[in-house]
Amino acid sequence: KAGVTQTPRYLIKTRGQQVTLSCSPISGHRSVSWYQQTPGQGLQFLFEYFSETQRNKGNFPGRFSGRQFSNSRSEMNVSTLELGDSALYLCASSFDRLGYEQYFGPGTRLTVT
Amino acid sequence: AQKITQTQPGMFVQEKEAVTLDCTYDTSDQSYGLFWYKQPSSGEMIFLIYQGSYDEQNATEGRYSLNFQKARKSANLVISASQLGDSAMYFCAMREGRSGGSNYKLTFGKGTLLTVNP
Repeated sequence: KAGVTQTPRYLIKTRGQQVTLSCSPISGHRSVSWYQQTPGQGLQFLFEYFSETQRNKGNFPGRFSGRQFSNSRSEMNVSTLELGDSALYLCASSFDRLGYEQYFGPGTRLTVT
Repeated sequence: AQKITQTQPGMFVQEKEAVTLDCTYDTSDQSYGLFWYKQPSSGEMIFLIYQGSYDEQNATEGRYSLNFQKARKSANLVISASQLGDSAMYFCAMREGRSGGSNYKLTFGKGTLLTVNP
């Protein structure tokens, strides 16, 4: 069974631009969560989607948004990029909201210059 | 207050020895879950072990075991017979609240960098 895939793996953007990251969960998984990892703040929860609905959101500005499609694939978008948005963005999937195992993808490393 | 505290920024262990990575947590919920993840230099988070707050037995998965002491709010990870491939960052995480509730997210500690020496 294929794992969680994230595209692209690496991305370099300029301040003020926007970016869209993609996550394909494990086949059959319906819950997708996003996390931001930085050296200073560590791992922080961004949002969780289940059945195409955002169920939970972390403490991030409105520049961070996401969505989930009917096939459970998810995208997150960051508009008006700032230098502080440089991070590893990790996506995790689980079968449903009751599942205790979240399987993470390899992440997208975003660098904002 | 930090919800997950990992007090060891770095740990060293000799190959084939056992090592304990510390984790304490803070929650007022009765129902919660505790997780350990391994993150190699490649960046991918690898699920290791899970302990539910109502589980009476300590969780074990191969060489990994979770020393769960509920009254002390600690959930230490024990790795037996360390291998060179165990060198990585290790994160303790907690999910609070009832399954399906609004708190379905993981709160992570700052991590412990484990180095296994040959």
